[in-house]
Amino acid sequence: DIVLTQTPATLSLSPGERATLSCRASQSVSRYLAWYQHKPGQAPRLLIYDASNRATGIPARFSGSGSGTDFTLTISSLEPDDFAVYYCQQRTNWPLPTFGGGTKVEIK
Amino acid sequence: EVQLVGSGGGLVQPGRSLRLSCTASGSGFSFGDYAMSWFRQAPGKGLEWVGFIRSKAYGGTAEYAASVKGRFSISRDDSKRSAYLQMNNLKTEDTAVYYCARDRTDIVVVVAASYLDYWGQGILVTVSS
Repeated sequence: DIVLTQTPATLSLSPGERATLSCRASQSVSRYLAWYQHKPGQAPRLLIYDASNRATGIPARFSGSGSGTDFTLTISSLEPDDFAVYYCQQRTNWPLPTFGGGTKVEIK
Repeated sequence: EVQLVGSGGGLVQPGRSLRLSCTASGSGFSFGDYAMSWFRQAPGKGLEWVGFIRSKAYGGTAEYAASVKGRFSISRDDSKRSAYLQMNNLKTEDTAVYYCARDRTDIVVVVAASYLDYWGQGILVTVSS
């Protein structure tokens, strides 16, 4: 099974700063990787699909890159609403989707 | 805008049953065209896929994670724009927040690109005596 490893586990930043989150797959997933944002008590939200495509309604400050085994989610300038947990996800071994362990972006 | 509203959670004793519901609203969303997945997140743990049900066009069949197979079943009623998770013989380790999600499996060419594009808000299920 493909394992997704997210680093760092926690990212402490201030509003306005740039956030760079990493997701590494144990084997290639090509470009079939998504990123989700999850806040406590709320529904997870799809941010990025196919490694670099923004989902509907997602602001341009969110961007994704990478292919194969190494992927990055970048938030160019953190807004107060962006402090949350972020997960990467792949589904190359369909139908089972698997998630990384998450990166918590917290206010410094 | 697509919205998924979950309901039916609560406190239940081990060995008992519970049924969760997930109802879709929003214009431009043909519920019957999509598969629907269920996930859960136990306290302090990550997201775990529970299973999904395909659209009627793909047979309306369901698949399950090994951890729940034989105890949980997923169904759908397209006329009510709803999906259901029937949980039987519940165990304490089933305690989690459960989420439904719209699954793009039946509308993509490559199933690896079948992401979960809309999610419900989470339903708390606590299994305890």
